[in-house]
Amino acid sequence: EVQLVESGGGLLQPGGSLRLSCAASGFTFVTYEMNWVRQAPGKGLEWVSYISGSGSSIYYADSVKGRFTISRDNAKTSLYLQMNNLRAEDTAVYYCAREGKLTNDALDIWGQGTMVIVSS
Amino acid sequence: SYVLTQPPSVSVAPGQTARITCGGNNIGSKSVHWYQQKPGQAPVLVVYDDRDRPSEIRERFSGSNSVNTATLTISRVEAGDEADYYCQVWDSSSHHWVFGGGTKLTVL
Repeated sequence: EVQLVESGGGLLQPGGSLRLSCAASGFTFVTYEMNWVRQAPGKGLEWVSYISGSGSSIYYADSVKGRFTISRDNAKTSLYLQMNNLRAEDTAVYYCAREGKLTNDALDIWGQGTMVIVSS
Repeated sequence: SYVLTQPPSVSVAPGQTARITCGGNNIGSKSVHWYQQKPGQAPVLVVYDDRDRPSEIRERFSGSNSVNTATLTISRVEAGDEADYYCQVWDSSSHHWVFGGGTKLTVL
C-alpha cells in the first residue's frame, strides 16, 4: 500500500525548533518529488516547500524561507522539515504530499498530517 | 506572486450540478489541479491537469480551464460531496505551488 505517515508535531513556544518526519512506503521514494503543505486551524491549504527526488532542487514559500529546511533521506525513504524560529502563525497541521507521475505532478498521495502548535 | 481566487461558498441541492470556479491571470495557460477535503481528513486529488480524474474518482467530477477561469463541475451532487474544494497551480516564475483560498460546498 502506498502510504505517507508524518510524525514529530507538538506544542512549543515561539522561537523554538521542531523537526517533522514523513515516512514513505509502498513506492520507489527516490523517484518522486515531495512537498510539505500546511493548514492553519479553520484556514485553507498553504504550500510550504518542495524537494526533488535527488534533493538537488528545493523551493520554499516566502513565509518560511530562511527558517525552515526541507530534506530527504532516500535510503530511509523519509522526508523531513526542520523548523526553526517558530512563530504563532506557523501553528497548523503539516502534511507531506507526493507529486504523482501520472497526474502531471498533482499531489496524488497525502499523509494524515501532524499538528504543530506554537504558543506561549 | 500568482493569486488564485475561489468563491468562499457554493450551495446546491442534491441531484443538481455544482460549479466551483478558480480565477487567475491567464490561468488557461496553466495546468490546474483540484482537491476535495472533508472535515478532519487530508485532501484528496479529484481532478488533475484541468480535466483528468484519478481512476478512483467518480465520473461525476470533471474540470475545465479557459482564459482566466478554471471550473470544477460536480454532477448529480450527493450529500457525501459536501466538503472544501481547493484549486492549485504551479507558478513557474516563482517555483511555488499556489492554492486557491478554498470553496465550501454545501448540499442543501
